[in-house]
Amino acid sequence: GENVEQHPSTLSVQEGDSAVIKCTYSDSASNYFPWYKQELGKGPQLIIDIRSNVGEKKDQRIAVTLNKTAKHFSLHITETQPEDSAVYFCAASSIEGSQGNLIFGKGTKLSVKP
Amino acid sequence: DAEITQSPRHKITETGRQVTLACHQTWNHNNMFWYRQDLGHGLRLIHYSYGVQDTNKGEVSDGYSVSRSNTEDLPLTLESAASSQTSVYFCATQRTLNTEAFFGQGTRLTVV
Repeated sequence: GENVEQHPSTLSVQEGDSAVIKCTYSDSASNYFPWYKQELGKGPQLIIDIRSNVGEKKDQRIAVTLNKTAKHFSLHITETQPEDSAVYFCAASSIEGSQGNLIFGKGTKLSVKP
Repeated sequence: DAEITQSPRHKITETGRQVTLACHQTWNHNNMFWYRQDLGHGLRLIHYSYGVQDTNKGEVSDGYSVSRSNTEDLPLTLESAASSQTSVYFCATQRTLNTEAFFGQGTRLTVV
């Protein structure tokens, strides 16, 4: 089955700097790659996603890149702000059978210092 | 607005007791999921359902069961609670596979 590895587990940056979180996946059939943000005491919430027919997607200060050949995808946050502090999860899934369920990475705790 | 509600938000129970965590959604989504979140393990899938009367085991299903008698609800039952089941539990829904998943606020369960 699918396995998703996420790095780093913790990341500390100064306000205004950029942050990059990387994930790798194992199943070449995976074709959907969402990123979730979890604030303290809340459930995860989708912030951006990308499908395998696209190499990059941007939404204001966040962007996701996908390299299907290398089986890795990354989240980029530019001009970080204190409110970006949270736990971020990457995930992967395929449309095929039970592999359609989201498989999550272990999460990255991002701290943005004012 | 559509929403997904988990109850209770916090629960303390004793080892060996049966516990049921509730999940109710008004999205009218067929797909519902239960995850547990533990430090160092991220979100792990316990059980999932693709529709009424459909239930399936996930990665960490031992000691848990679910039932799906209607579209809105997927209760999670711990048959005989164990300390290893102390965790934060999240329910989620999806309209279809490979689309956005919507999560509840979570239930923090402590087994003593």
